[in-house]
This record gives sequence, structure tokens and C-alpha cells, in this order.
Amino acid sequence: GAVVSQHPSRVICKSGTSVKIECRSLDFQATTMFWYRQFPKQSLMLMATSNEGSKATYEQGVEKDKFLINHASLTLSTLTVTSAHPEDSSFYICSATDRGDGNEQFFGPGTRLTVL
Amino acid sequence: AQTVTQSQPEMSVQEAETVTLSCTYDTSENNYYLFWYKQPPSRQMILVIRQEAYKQQNATENRFSVNFQKAAKSFSLKISDSQLGDTAMYFCAFIETSGSRLTFGEGTQLTVNP
Repeated sequence: GAVVSQHPSRVICKSGTSVKIECRSLDFQATTMFWYRQFPKQSLMLMATSNEGSKATYEQGVEKDKFLINHASLTLSTLTVTSAHPEDSSFYICSATDRGDGNEQFFGPGTRLTVL
Repeated sequence: AQTVTQSQPEMSVQEAETVTLSCTYDTSENNYYLFWYKQPPSRQMILVIRQEAYKQQNATENRFSVNFQKAAKSFSLKISDSQLGDTAMYFCAFIETSGSRLTFGEGTQLTVNP
């Protein structure tokens, strides 16, 4: 099956610093990648959709200058949380699809971000 | 806009018993896919089962089966012979055939008791 990796799995940073999270599709080319945010005991909230080589489409209410998304290749997307603050602490999950059978999205294992 | 509703925030079942999780959705589209995802304590999202709306036959994957009622816009998940490893948050999700945006329900936390 299709595998998506995320790195790092967890990160702790100081307030005001920037953090980059990588999402890679390991055995397929991802035409579209998605970034979600999840709070404890809640559902996944879509932050943005990115297509290789083009600008990401952000969901309403998501600050594009704070959450920078780059989809430079068909196997890599990055999410950079700029000038992180404690309220940015959350679980971030990426997913990827090759728009193949069933529009199935393959999910990464997630990244737990803690901002002190 | 599509919406997905899971009306059971928490459920519990005894090991080896059967449990059904409910999901309803709202859409004006005719062609779409429905999914059930499992998120165990590791928080890795795992696809449990998928249903194509154009298929009348209910999908089945080993101990997992769905009851897809298209007219009623209902998509319930039945877990037979529940196992301790089935303890997880379960999310129902919807996507248009021509779309890319996955819409999730609020989730149901299932606990399987020994």
C-alpha cells in the first residue's frame, strides 16, 4: 500500500521560532497533498491543499503567512509554522493522493508540535 | 456544502460482541465515495473500509461491513467479533468523485472492553 512519512514525529520549540514539518510520499507520486490540524479528541481540520508546483489553497480562517506550505516535488510537501506561539501547539497530519482509484488519501503518522 | 454527522461521541462494546457506528451525510451530489477511518492511540489514520456511491452492494472487509443507504444518506459501520485492538477513534468521511476535499465527521470513540 501507499506510504506517507512525516518528519519530525514530535518537536518542541520556543515561542517565536519557526518549525518545518516534512511530508513525503514514499512509493507513489502525490499530485495533491493536504495538511490537517487536530486537537485532542476532535476531528481533523483541513488547513490547506497543495498541488505540486503551484501555490497552496488555504481554508478560510487559516493564516497563509503563518502556515507556509511548499509542494516542490511530486513526493514532498513542507509546512512551516512561522513565529510559532503556544496556541499553535497541536497535532499536524499530512495526507497525499495520486487521484487514483477512489480518491483515497494516504495519511502520514502526524507531527506533535509543542510551543513553549 | 457537504456535511458528515456522527451522533455517537463515545461507544463501548465487550470483546467478541458486535457494534454498529452511525454516520449520516448531506450532499446534493450523486457520485461520491464514503470512507471509515480508524485512528488508534498512535494517531495514525488507517482506512477501514470504502464504499462507492454507485455500488448498491455494501462493502465488506473481514470483520468490518457497512450498511449504505443512499436514499437515506446513511453509512453505518458494523464491527463483528470486536477485538481489543479495535479500540480507537472512528471517523466517517465523504468525498465527491470529482473533488479532492475530504469531509470528516466528528468521530466516535470506540472502546472494546475485555
